[in-house]
Amino acid sequence: GAGVSQSPSNKVTEKGKDVELRCDPISGHTALYWYRQSLGQGLEFLIYFQGNSAPDKSGLPSDRFSAERTGGSVSTLTIQRTQQEDSAVYLCASSLTGDTPWPQHFGDGTRLSIL
Amino acid sequence: KNQVEQSPQSLIILEGKNCTLQCNYTVSPFSNLRWYKQDTGRGPVSLTIMTFSENTKSNGRYTATLDADTKQSSLHITASQLSDSASYICVVSAESTGGGNKLTFGTGTQLKVEL
Repeated sequence: GAGVSQSPSNKVTEKGKDVELRCDPISGHTALYWYRQSLGQGLEFLIYFQGNSAPDKSGLPSDRFSAERTGGSVSTLTIQRTQQEDSAVYLCASSLTGDTPWPQHFGDGTRLSIL
Repeated sequence: KNQVEQSPQSLIILEGKNCTLQCNYTVSPFSNLRWYKQDTGRGPVSLTIMTFSENTKSNGRYTATLDADTKQSSLHITASQLSDSASYICVVSAESTGGGNKLTFGTGTQLKVEL
């Protein structure tokens, strides 16, 4: 596609449920990043993919969070047993290469609300 | 601890006026600095990137400055337009090879341009 696509754009779920967020990066971009943006906070790094591997997953806040990327393209971020503090906007970004740490192009995010 | 502080937190100006947003950082060792514009409900979009040796860089009505000695950057917006209303985020990178966790994000300045 022309840009980074994320789905769903909004997700409301009950505490304790699992959620899966999807990111479709720009075609050909090998680097993919997940960030979390909470109200009034700066973007928080979660995980970085180079191809299908994740050389840096140091930002995942707990073992309830996991992410995978298949075919060097689509990535999914899964949150298990959601908690209210997981409520945030989850942003995905991609870059042409992984030589730079900069996320070049962002998607519009998934707004996650945990009731 | 690497930190990026932005000021003011929010700003309201009249259309056509100029404004300057500030970014102070304590990221070390400094690699480069980028300003992003984030419209409400959208992902951040890169405006400028500045390396250690650059003092000023312009992108249309946006001019960024960098003083690596005082660890300060500013984003000057000239002849503001209603479409400039957005959050402006300062992001600083520490020297590293690959990975997204070496970026430190500011919490942004919320700019509103009014008629």
